[in-house]
Amino acid sequence: DSGVTQTPKHLITATGQRVTLRCSPRSGDLSVYWYQQSLDQGLQFLIQYYNGEERAKGNILERFSAQQFPDLHSELNLSSLELGDSALYFCASSPHAQKHSGNTIYFGEGSWLTVV
Amino acid sequence: AQKVTQAQTEISVVEKEDVTLDCVYETRDTTYYLFWYKQPPSGELVFLIRRNSFDEQNEISGRYSWNFQKSTSSFNFTITASQVVDSAVYFCALSDPGANSKLTFGKGITLSVRP
Repeated sequence: DSGVTQTPKHLITATGQRVTLRCSPRSGDLSVYWYQQSLDQGLQFLIQYYNGEERAKGNILERFSAQQFPDLHSELNLSSLELGDSALYFCASSPHAQKHSGNTIYFGEGSWLTVV
Repeated sequence: AQKVTQAQTEISVVEKEDVTLDCVYETRDTTYYLFWYKQPPSGELVFLIRRNSFDEQNEISGRYSWNFQKSTSSFNFTITASQVVDSAVYFCALSDPGANSKLTFGKGITLSVRP
């Protein structure tokens, strides 16, 4: 158990819909990351938050957005869903994000999203 | 740009065989970190090891060992006396330089250990 909690574990929804994935980081971790794992793209970094502020952005679509709340939990919002958005979405956390900290990033169990 | 190459896509071995998973990386940074993660069939990503670029000592943890060689930009992972429970996808990853530590992952190696 990594200590990172993600909900829901599984989600099936229709195209065009909107879903929210929730993540609670490990106790004390200030950084939260979102990754998408799909068969064709592999593990892709989406976005990182540090103590409530966006820190880094990867290949995140404009239809997707995220935020980190004062209690450090994070949500990833996916809207106007398409079939190609079906993937395993991981949340991860690490203690802090200093310049080249090299902290270990611990992953949650993921949220399986199926768009039909 | 950072890049991680795991040239092997699938490996199948019989239980008790030794197996080495290869990882080659590219980076222009002089300070960086390398990681291995395991993804069993259940789907979660499990952290195995982190190594910084200044430490080329090999590491052994039980049946697992890692060989880091800066000269060849490789960070290989060996499982000794493999077991069925080792069946999983194994990812090598490289930390991003700068004011964050996001990871760049390789494509992963699917290891199947047959009884």
